[in-house]
Amino acid sequence: GENVEQHPSTLSVQEGDSAVIKCTYSDSASNYFPWYKQELGKRPQLIIDIRSNVGEKKDQRIAVTLNKTAKHFSLHITETQPEDSAVYFCAANHNEKLTFGTGTRLTIIP
Amino acid sequence: GAVVSQHPSWVICKSGTSVKIECRSLDFQATTMFWYRQFPKQSLMLMATSNEGSKATYEQGVEKDKFLINHASLTLSTLTVTSAHPEDSSFYICSAPGSLGNQPQHFGDGTRLSIL
Repeated sequence: GENVEQHPSTLSVQEGDSAVIKCTYSDSASNYFPWYKQELGKRPQLIIDIRSNVGEKKDQRIAVTLNKTAKHFSLHITETQPEDSAVYFCAANHNEKLTFGTGTRLTIIP
Repeated sequence: GAVVSQHPSWVICKSGTSVKIECRSLDFQATTMFWYRQFPKQSLMLMATSNEGSKATYEQGVEKDKFLINHASLTLSTLTVTSAHPEDSSFYICSAPGSLGNQPQHFGDGTRLSIL
């Protein structure tokens, strides 16, 4: 089955700086890669996603890049704000099944 | 947009009790729904795929007799944790693919299950 690795597990960033979270996946058949933000006790919220036919996607301060050859995808958050503090999960999809990464706890230091 | 409603949001019960969690797609039909479990400070792990009108498909290591799944209609899937024990305490979340049967998935709000 699919295996998704995510790094780093924790990340502290000064407010206004950029944050980057990286994931790798194992199944070359995976074709959809969402990123979720999860606050304590709440459901994951989709913040951005990318499909396998696209290399990069941007939505305001958030961007995702995908390297299919290397099976890497990354989340980039620019101009970080305190409200960006949360746990972020990457995921890879194959046949509608999502496999999640282990999560990154992002802390924005005011 | 597509909404998935999950109830209850929080359950506390004694060991040995069976607990039922409901997951409803409110404005779309879902022939497939997914059930995840999330332990504290861990990731979401897929437990099973619920299929309308047929048996659920369980992931490796998940006991089907322990976690009963029923998907009797196109808008409702239920997960019953039978004879729950403290080690079953977790955050259970359901999801359903979008109306076109494609991603992204729409998640319920989750159920916090605490077994005393």
